Amino acid sequence: GAVVSQHPSRVICKSGTSVKIECRSLDFQATTMFWYRQFPKQSLMLMATSNEGSKATYEQGVEKDKFLINHASLTLSTLTVTSAHPEDSSFYICSASRQNTEAFFGQGTRLTVV
Amino acid sequence: GESVGLHLPTLSVQEGDNSIINCAYSNSASDYFIWYKQESGKGPQFIIDIRSNMDKRQGQRVTVLLNKTVKHLSLQIAATQPGDSAVYFCAESRGGSYIPTFGRGTSLIVHP
Repeated sequence: GAVVSQHPSRVICKSGTSVKIECRSLDFQATTMFWYRQFPKQSLMLMATSNEGSKATYEQGVEKDKFLINHASLTLSTLTVTSAHPEDSSFYICSASRQNTEAFFGQGTRLTVV
Repeated sequence: GESVGLHLPTLSVQEGDNSIINCAYSNSASDYFIWYKQESGKGPQFIIDIRSNMDKRQGQRVTVLLNKTVKHLSLQIAATQPGDSAVYFCAESRGGSYIPTFGRGTSLIVHP
């Protein structure tokens, strides 16, 4: 299957700071990338969908000013958690898909806000 | 509301047994279903998929069955191994969007 790389795999930051997470499709051009959030022992919840060169579409209840998504190229999307607080601590997962194919997932980023 | 759900949160089996993980969905418009395996601290890994025009699909040691009449999906793992221990999610999408909506998840524990 296609390879999606997410970086960093773990990050600890202080409350009030911002954190950027990168998602790269290594061997294909991703027309669409998705960002998910997962709390312990729970399912993945879709946060937003982004298409290259256009604004992300956020799911209901997800603050777009809090979770900034940039999809500047066909191989890179970034999620920036702005002014992070302890309640933002979670496992963030990206996925990427080519047109009309299934999505491939990154390995996830464990964010801990202290 | 519309959702994809799982019947059993935890399934414990002995190594070598066959495992069956079930999933119910409520949206009759769903036309593409995927099973994912997620190991601790990792992202979901694609296992197998099935489209709504099929009722069975087989892979290596895995089989997915789809019953559209009762909106039920199952994943069968043959000769379960300790390395199969993980959380398994079913996901559905519709209308060619390929944006998976995940169910609750089932934790599979394989005892050696």
